[in-house]
Amino acid sequence: EAGVTQFPSHSVIEKGQTVTLRCDPISGHDNLYWYRRVMGKEIKFLLHFVKESKQDESGMPNNRFLAERTGGTYSTLKVQPAELEDSGVYFCASSYATGGRDTQYFGPGTRLTVL
Amino acid sequence: AQSVTQLGSHVSVSEGALVLLRCNYSSSVPPYLFWYVQYPNQGLQLLLKYTSAATLVKGINGFEAEFKKSETSFHLTKPSAHMSDAAEYFCAVRISGGYQKVTFGTGTKLQVIP
Repeated sequence: EAGVTQFPSHSVIEKGQTVTLRCDPISGHDNLYWYRRVMGKEIKFLLHFVKESKQDESGMPNNRFLAERTGGTYSTLKVQPAELEDSGVYFCASSYATGGRDTQYFGPGTRLTVL
Repeated sequence: AQSVTQLGSHVSVSEGALVLLRCNYSSSVPPYLFWYVQYPNQGLQLLLKYTSAATLVKGINGFEAEFKKSETSFHLTKPSAHMSDAAEYFCAVRISGGYQKVTFGTGTKLQVIP
């Protein structure tokens, strides 16, 4: 069974440009999460989808970030316009159920560098 | 709100020595606790999780962790370190019920010295 996949693995952009990150969850997983790790800091929650609906977006830093999950399958995270402080590793995770004990499976991450 | 504190951003052990990575949590409700590992150039992999069953949890690659409510701790151990254990380890907490987000510690980089 394929794991969580993320594309691209690396992205280098100029400040002010737009970048779109993609996440494909494990097939059959209704729950999809985005996290971010800024250099040297902890991994922080951004938001949680249940199917195509945003269940919790309390971690989204500001309105330059837009997450979508059309059709309840893959998800995209767009940053527009990108700022220097957006640099970091963006992780996507998915899980089957919504119970607290359910495991979230993480993708390899997308390393975003904003110059 | 829940939080996790990992003591020591870097830990070095000799090959064959005991590995002990410390994690303390704070949660107002019974927590679910996790240890994840990130090997170089790879994603996060679940090592083990505590979900209110047995307090001693065994994970992959010989790791285990013990949930101690009185100490609010969930330390990760391995009796004998192997070179392949060199990685970054993250302790994480998730509360039962409510939102599903996982709260991570700042991570501990484990170096194994030959």
